[in-house]
Amino acid sequence: GAVVSQHPSWVICKSGTSVKIECRSLDFQATTMFWYRQFPKQSLMLMATSNEGSKATYEQGVEKDKFLINHASLTLSTLTVTSAHPEDSSFYICSVGTLNTEAFFGQGTRLTVV
Amino acid sequence: AQSVTQLDSQVPVFEEAPVELRCNYSSSVSVYLFWYVQYPNQGLQLLLKYLSGSTLVKGINGFEAEFNKSQTSFHLRKPSVHISDTAEYFCAVSGTGGYNKLIFGAGTRLAVHP
Repeated sequence: GAVVSQHPSWVICKSGTSVKIECRSLDFQATTMFWYRQFPKQSLMLMATSNEGSKATYEQGVEKDKFLINHASLTLSTLTVTSAHPEDSSFYICSVGTLNTEAFFGQGTRLTVV
Repeated sequence: AQSVTQLDSQVPVFEEAPVELRCNYSSSVSVYLFWYVQYPNQGLQLLLKYLSGSTLVKGINGFEAEFNKSQTSFHLRKPSVHISDTAEYFCAVSGTGGYNKLIFGAGTRLAVHP
């Protein structure tokens, strides 16, 4: 299966600053990746589908200008939380999309905005 | 579109007792079904998956699940739980085409007590 690495695993930032989270597919060329967010004690909610070489597809209610997704290569997708606020504090998880029957997840990034 | 309902938000159980975590899904197309486990501040680990064929699926750590198409259910079971099984469990569904875009249930917190 695909090995997916997310970085950083945790980050604390000041309100109003931007934070970039990286999702790397270490052994698989991923044309599609997915970004999820998870609030404490809640489920994973799909935020967007990241497509290599084209614009991301955002789920309803997700602000595309706030959560910038870049998928410039087959092994890297980045999620940038712009002008972060405390309500953006969450656990962000990426997964690699394959035509296999299993999704492969990163270990997640805990974002805390203070 | 698909949706997943996990009927129990929390399931307390004593060690070595059997457990069942319930999951129902809704979809207008054929689906794949998954159970994932999440330990605190970690990513997701696949327990098992149903793709086709036998409706009884065996996974890791002694878990199994049964796909029931008529009841649109995919309940997870384990005959004897351990303290180490304490975690959050997510049922998920995806379409059978595409790149593993998963829709998750709300999760069930399994708490195993000595």
